Amino acid sequence: DIQLSQSPSFLSASVGDRVTITCRASQVISSYLAWYQLKPGKAPKLLIYAVSTLQSGVPSRFSGSGFGTDFTLTISNLQPDDFATYYCQHPWTFGQGTNVEFK
Amino acid sequence: QVQLVQSGAEVKRPGASVKVSCGASGYIFTNCAIHWVRQAPGQRPEWMGWINIGNGDTKYSRAFQGRVTFTRDTSASAAYMELSSLRPEDTAVYYCARDMILARPYYFYMDVWGKGTTVTVSS
Repeated sequence: DIQLSQSPSFLSASVGDRVTITCRASQVISSYLAWYQLKPGKAPKLLIYAVSTLQSGVPSRFSGSGFGTDFTLTISNLQPDDFATYYCQHPWTFGQGTNVEFK
Repeated sequence: QVQLVQSGAEVKRPGASVKVSCGASGYIFTNCAIHWVRQAPGQRPEWMGWINIGNGDTKYSRAFQGRVTFTRDTSASAAYMELSSLRPEDTAVYYCARDMILARPYYFYMDVWGKGTTVTVSS
């Protein structure tokens, strides 16, 4: 089975920062890579699918890239609403998550 | 708008069963699959399986095979997840999530999620 490993697990940042989260697959995967934002008590939110396609309604400060085994989620100009935990997903497994905290 | 509304929190004894509902609105319910994903405290989300709402076909994760059952009621636009033989390590937030399986091209993602149902298993 394919395993997904994210780095870093924790990230401290400030409003306005650019942050990058990496997701590494245990073997080469296709373009079926998605990113989600999770907050306690709220419905998880799809941000990116097919590696780099922005889900409708998601701010353009979120972007995704990568191929093969290495993928990234970038948040430019971090906003207060972006402090959350982010997970990558390849059917049907998830990375261990990256908690973006306020510095 | 498109939304999935889940049933309320549950507290169960070990060995019991729990049934969580997921009500859909704002789209054609039969044009999708519903995934069930759970997240235990401090853990990554764990995929439990899915049900094709259109034809009722199910696929279960090996980790839950034999202990979980997915059903749906198309007249009520609702999906259900029943987990039996509960143990304390089943304590988690259980989510339902939509997958538009008829989309082409198809990219294997869940675009709308419920807010989750907390299930606590404790004696």
